[in-house]
Amino acid sequence: GQNIDQPTEMTATEGAIVQINCTYQTSGFNGLFWYQQHAGEAPTFLSYNVLDGLEEKGRFSSFLSRSKGYSYLLLKELQMKDSASYLCAVMDSNYQLIWGAGTKLIIKP
Amino acid sequence: DADVTQTPRNRITKTGKRIMLECSQTKGHDRMYWYRQDPGLGLRLIYYSFDVKDINKGEISDGYSVSRQAQAKFSLSLESAIPNQTALYFCATSEQRDHTGELFFGEGSRLTVL
Repeated sequence: GQNIDQPTEMTATEGAIVQINCTYQTSGFNGLFWYQQHAGEAPTFLSYNVLDGLEEKGRFSSFLSRSKGYSYLLLKELQMKDSASYLCAVMDSNYQLIWGAGTKLIIKP
Repeated sequence: DADVTQTPRNRITKTGKRIMLECSQTKGHDRMYWYRQDPGLGLRLIYYSFDVKDINKGEISDGYSVSRQAQAKFSLSLESAIPNQTALYFCATSEQRDHTGELFFGEGSRLTVL
């Protein structure tokens, strides 16, 4: 079966750095996505990786290793507004998105 | 105004009632989707449509039906609601030729079935 694993919850301190991991087992691979979802709101797109390596976008970076079935989202200079759930999703060989359950990130002052 | 609009935002209903959730979009996208989100689970795809004449079942289509009335409108129906259909429902859109697959979500419709 297809599976996406990510930690259920993480806690970090304002101003610090946090890394949220995602491992996947899917039928084929056509890209990995990270979305941010604030409580009670819609998910919003953060990043897309299809090749191995690091993609940097401001305070957020996303890394992919296809051989290891692994990705991480790195958040730097954490702000209180970064408190949210972070959803990892993989597009399989049929271009269907398989979603992880999400990681709830709690930022403390 | 939101590019993807869902109505109603909240609904409480009883077992056996028929419910329709509506979605409209101004993004001009061909692809539209209905997902449900439950605590502790990933988003699960119910139905999707690549254009007005194209409707496809997703992972969990049983108990649901959809109608694509126009490019901009995609509605989800629960013919006879049951309590385990209590969930947060999201409509989403994406561009036809964009295989990066970025989804644009509506604000969600919270449905409670008693």
